[in-house]
Amino acid sequence: DGGITQSPKYLFRKEGQNVTLSCEQNLNHDAMYWYRQDPGQGLRLIYYSQIVNDFQKGDIAEGYSVSREKKESFPLTVTSAQKNPTAFYLCASSISGSETQYFGPGTRLLVL
Amino acid sequence: KNEVEQSPQNLTAQEGEFITINCSYSVGISALHWLQQHPGGGIVSLFMLSSGKKKHGRLIATINIQEKHSSLHITASHPRDSAVYICAALARGNQFYFGTGTSLTVIP
Repeated sequence: DGGITQSPKYLFRKEGQNVTLSCEQNLNHDAMYWYRQDPGQGLRLIYYSQIVNDFQKGDIAEGYSVSREKKESFPLTVTSAQKNPTAFYLCASSISGSETQYFGPGTRLLVL
Repeated sequence: KNEVEQSPQNLTAQEGEFITINCSYSVGISALHWLQQHPGGGIVSLFMLSSGKKKHGRLIATINIQEKHSSLHITASHPRDSAVYICAALARGNQFYFGTGTSLTVIP
């Protein structure tokens, strides 16, 4: 079945450690996105990529890094520089130029 | 002030009730999406609107471009409709602006 997978579903990290969240899609979509969701707030864009080997900062990119070495994969690294990393992270993808984004199931990150 | 405002923030209804969730936006848009987020986080796209009205089963979405307002209606609500409903405006330049969501609980 085609879709977007994110792993793991839950992730615990000690303060000061970097952690990488996985996002894979087999929909042959060019564009991929990372959002974070905090209680009581809307989704906020962290990074997005319209094409392989290219990505752009979103509204809240500080403390995060991404790579897009393959069309299918867009991993997000939450670095120790991110002040409030505990959140729910959602990955999405779309056909380039399309208005519809398809979301993954999300990863809940908890920093202890 | 957020570019997209939703109301109400929380909503509890009895099974069978007609439900309305409202969304107002302040940016120029090319489309407006209604999303459903299930407990556990998965998000499903319900509707994409650029004008008028769309219906899918018991769900109806309307948009008034002049008033910058959209509504999501659920007829004959059911406990399985319990979820968070999110309004998302796709602005010029392909930038998405998301509302904070409406948490709906339908009681049997």
